[in-house]
Amino acid sequence: ELKVEQNPLFLSMQEGKNYTIYCNYSTTSDRLYWYRQDPGKSLESLFVLLSNGAVKQEGRLMASLDTKARLSTLHITAAVHDLSATYFCAGGNTDKLIFGTGTRLQVFP
Amino acid sequence: DAGITQSPRYKITETGRQVTLMCHQTWSHSYMFWYRQDLGHGLRLIYYSAAADITDKGEVPDGYVVSRSKTENFPLTLESATRSQTSVYFCASSESGRREAFFGQGTRLTVV
Repeated sequence: ELKVEQNPLFLSMQEGKNYTIYCNYSTTSDRLYWYRQDPGKSLESLFVLLSNGAVKQEGRLMASLDTKARLSTLHITAAVHDLSATYFCAGGNTDKLIFGTGTRLQVFP
Repeated sequence: DAGITQSPRYKITETGRQVTLMCHQTWSHSYMFWYRQDLGHGLRLIYYSAAADITDKGEVPDGYVVSRSKTENFPLTLESATRSQTSVYFCASSESGRREAFFGQGTRLTVV
């Protein structure tokens, strides 16, 4: 059974700093997703990673996938307040889509 | 409206009552999912469906029933609601198993 774990669960960052959120999964996952959720809102797709070594970037966010290590990372560069949200990774195994517990990110001045 | 819609957005029900949460998508996506979101647990998969008339259990299926007679609809029924089923429920759909899922706005269910 696929299990997805994220760390840290909570991250408080100063504006302008860099940090990485880690997503580990327990068994083979042939795809990895990152989502963003603002408070009280739905989930918004950020990245879809489909192969080992895949790297995708959008603005200050960059996601990568290492299938051998069963690890995906979401790197934040020069954080700004607008990035404050909860970030989820999700792994795909057969037809299921299994989510991690999320990382709540707060960016302060 | 195009997209994926859930109804109702908010629901209060009593313990022991049956309640159905509706999910409708206009994209003709094959895959549909139901999740519940609780503090400290992230999103947990309740049931999913790969096509009409094909459904399967997720991580936390107990106490829930689903059906999918039409591609566009995927209702979730709580047969006898319990307080532990108080949660925010999200429906999602995906074009294929390797594409991202798109989420509805969620239904906040309170069982008193």
